[in-house]
Amino acid sequence: AQTVTQSQPEMSVQEAETVTLSCTYDTSESDYYLFWYKQPPSRQMILVIRQEAYKQQNATENRFSVNFQKAAKSFSLKISDSQLGDAAMYFCAYRRSGNTPLVFGKGTRLSVIA
Amino acid sequence: EPEVTQTPSHQVTQMGQEVILRCVPISNHLYFYWYRQILGQKVEFLVSFYNNEISEKSEIFDDQFSVERPDGSNFTLKIRSTKLEDSAMYFCASRKLQGSNYGYTFGSGTRLTVV
Repeated sequence: AQTVTQSQPEMSVQEAETVTLSCTYDTSESDYYLFWYKQPPSRQMILVIRQEAYKQQNATENRFSVNFQKAAKSFSLKISDSQLGDAAMYFCAYRRSGNTPLVFGKGTRLSVIA
Repeated sequence: EPEVTQTPSHQVTQMGQEVILRCVPISNHLYFYWYRQILGQKVEFLVSFYNNEISEKSEIFDDQFSVERPDGSNFTLKIRSTKLEDSAMYFCASRKLQGSNYGYTFGSGTRLTVV
């Protein structure tokens, strides 16, 4: 079974600084997708960024970028120029190819310090 | 931007009562899902639904649970006889295409409290 591990239950970052959230996963599949979701206090799940396993290039969305290391099964999220609104729970998620469910990690709570 | 809509946002129910959680997925999406998040824990998959039938379900989704798409727009989750441990946030999600890299679009959730 696939598993997703987020080893940092909590992280904090100063406003305008950069922070990296870690995620590792375990799978025997070669075709899969990886995601980072943000869950603010409202508890809505918001897609931040996604990565296809077959793409070597790391995904980037404005201030958010990933470091995808397929051989190491690592998928970290980098948030640059952190803003107060980035404070939230961040979940790493995996999905193999096909109509398959997302498998989530336990999340990392990010605090942003003004 | 299209949204997945869930109602109610919060429901309190007595243990043993039936509850129906409602979702309106994005109109051109084909795949529908229910997830659950017990407070402070990770998000867990319950069930996926495609072409008017369940395509996959987890161990959590036992005989107490059922899903339905009664009218082509709503997607409901029914819990027949609620237990205290069913208290959680329930998220509906939908997705557009099979085999694509599209992420799911989640609704804003229904907080279920069983007392």
